[in-house]
Amino acid sequence: AQSVTQPDIHITVSEGASLELRCNYSYGATPYLFWYVQSPGQGLQLLLKYFSGDTLVQGIKGFEAEFKRSQSSFNLRKPSVHWSDAAEYFCAVGATDSGYSTLTFGKGTMLLVSP
Amino acid sequence: NAGVTQTPKFQVLKTGQSMTLQCAQDMNHEYMSWYRQDPGMGLRLIHYSVGAGITDQGEVPNGYNVSRSTTEDFPLRLLSAAPSQTSVYFCASSYGGAGSPLHFGNGTRLTVT
Repeated sequence: AQSVTQPDIHITVSEGASLELRCNYSYGATPYLFWYVQSPGQGLQLLLKYFSGDTLVQGIKGFEAEFKRSQSSFNLRKPSVHWSDAAEYFCAVGATDSGYSTLTFGKGTMLLVSP
Repeated sequence: NAGVTQTPKFQVLKTGQSMTLQCAQDMNHEYMSWYRQDPGMGLRLIHYSVGAGITDQGEVPNGYNVSRSTTEDFPLRLLSAAPSQTSVYFCASSYGGAGSPLHFGNGTRLTVT
C-alpha cells in the first residue's frame, strides 16, 4: 500500500519570498503524484499532477513540483508567494496498478503568508 | 457546470440519529468516493464506487453505508451517529482510470453531540 508524508504541519513565508513544501511518498514503483490546495471552507483544488516523463511539472497559480525518484519526493515550489496563497496544501499518491483513482493523501501543510 | 455538489453544508446530529449526506456530480464520472477530513489526519477514504451498482470499502468504512443506483449520485449514510463521526466530509469524482484527478465538492461539516 502507498503512503505519503508531509513533514511540515505549518510553514510561514513572507509575501514575495520563495516557497517549498515537502512531500515524501512510499510506493513500490513510480506512482501518480498530485498536489491539491484547500482554501478555508472549500473543497480541494488540483494544482498539478505527475504521471511520467519530465520530472519538473508546471501547475496552476505559478506552482511547480519536481519528482525525484532517488529521494521518493515530490516537493512543491513557488518562486514568489502571494498573500492569496495562504491555504492548506495536500500531497497525494495514486497507485499505477489500480484501475481507478483511489488516492492516498498526506496530512497536509498549512501555509501562512506574512506581510 | 456545477461539478460535484454536496448537501447539506452543515449538520448537527444527536448521538444515535441517522442521516444521509448527499453527493451528485454532473460530469458523467464513473468513479466516486467519500473522504473524511479531521485535523492533523488529512483525508481518509471511507467508501468508493467504480460505477453504478458497484461499491467498496476504503480505509475507514465502519459506521457508514453507501449505495450507487445511478452514475450521478453517491449518498453516504450514517446509520447511528457517534461523536467520533464529527468531521468534514468530502465527496469526490473522477472519470476513472488510475491517476485520473479527483474533483471535490465543497464538503459537509457534521457535528455529532
